[in-house]
Order: sequence, then structure tokens, then C-alpha cells
Amino acid sequence: GQQVQQSPASLVLQEGENAELQCNFSSTATRLQWFYQRPGGSLVSLLSNPSGTKHTGRLTSTTVTKERRGSLHISSSQITDSGTYLCAMEPNYGNEKITFGAGTKLTIKP
Amino acid sequence: DMKVTQMPRYLIKRMGENVLLECGQDMSHETMYWYRQDPGLGLQLIYISYDVDSNSEGDIPKGYRVSRKKREHFSLILDSAKTNQTSVYFCASSLGVEQYFGPGTRLTVL
Repeated sequence: GQQVQQSPASLVLQEGENAELQCNFSSTATRLQWFYQRPGGSLVSLLSNPSGTKHTGRLTSTTVTKERRGSLHISSSQITDSGTYLCAMEPNYGNEKITFGAGTKLTIKP
Repeated sequence: DMKVTQMPRYLIKRMGENVLLECGQDMSHETMYWYRQDPGLGLQLIYISYDVDSNSEGDIPKGYRVSRKKREHFSLILDSAKTNQTSVYFCASSLGVEQYFGPGTRLTVL
């Protein structure tokens, strides 16, 4: 079945540094979505990007569907950015379902 | 304010007992989902519902069944719960691309 691999599994940065999260997927996708999850909390949709680059605030999502990869860039990280970031892939065909990666746990230290 | 609710938030059951997890949404979304989240595995889709009485298996439906008799309610049922069904269960709804997630139910099966 479809697979979504996220890297790194965990990332520790100092406040103010930039974070780069990667997502690779095993089959062609119509869209890549990024979600944020606070520890023990629900998921919040951050960005949904079929291809190319999309910005919102300090977040930039880049999706290269031909190469089956995407990334999420967080600029000038803040302590409140700490949490888990999940990448989800919507497949390009038929009745296949959205598939989530295992997530990247981001910790921002003061 | 768009909202997905889940009840209960925490539940402890014994192996072999029946479990009912409830999900509600106030956005009239046609599509609803049940996921489980386990450490290191991300979210796994259990069932998807496209509307009332229009349900489809996800990636891990075994041991679960669902019921959707009203558009705003989607139930997940575990008949004779097993210890390996201990997990955090998330419900979501969507209209188009973006998914809205509930706060989750932490189920422990002893």
C-alpha cells in the first residue's frame, strides 16, 4: 500500500533557528497536507499543497509531486512551535485513502 | 465555530467488553473518518464514511465497525475489545480538502 516517510523523526532546535521537515511518499499524489499536533492534543491542518510552494505566516510548504517528496520549512522558530508535525498524502487515483506519516517531533528550546 | 466533538475523552474497558466511541460535527460535512494513532505509526485509517449509511473500510478495519445514521454523527464500535486496540482514536470530518479533527479518545483495554 501507500507509504509516507517523514524525516527526521525528531528535531531539537534553539529558538530563532529555522526548521526543515521532510516527507517522501511511495506513489503519485494529488496533494500533500501538513498537520500540527500538540502533545496529547488534536490535529490542526497547517497547509495543503498540490504542488509547488505555498506560504502562510512563518510556514512554507514545498511539494514536488514528480519526485514524490515534500517539505515544510518553519522560519524563526518559537517555543510554541514545539509539537509533532504530520505529513499526509492524498493519492492520485481511485478509491485510495489519505495516508499519514509517523510525524516529526519538533522541540524548540529557549 | 466549526467543531468536531468526541465522547468519551478517556475510556478504560476490559478485554471482551463492547466499546462505543461517538463523534459529532456541526459543519454538515458529508465525509467523516475514524483513525487510530499509535506511537511511531502515525494515524491509521479505520473507516471512512461518505454520507449516511455509506461507509467504506480503511486500512485497518478488522475488529471495528461503524454506524452513520445521521450526517452529523459517526460512531465507532468495538465488539469484544482486545488489548491491542488500546490506542488514541481520532474522528475527523471534511468538506473538500481540509480535514477537521476531534480532540481524540484515549481507550485502554485491560
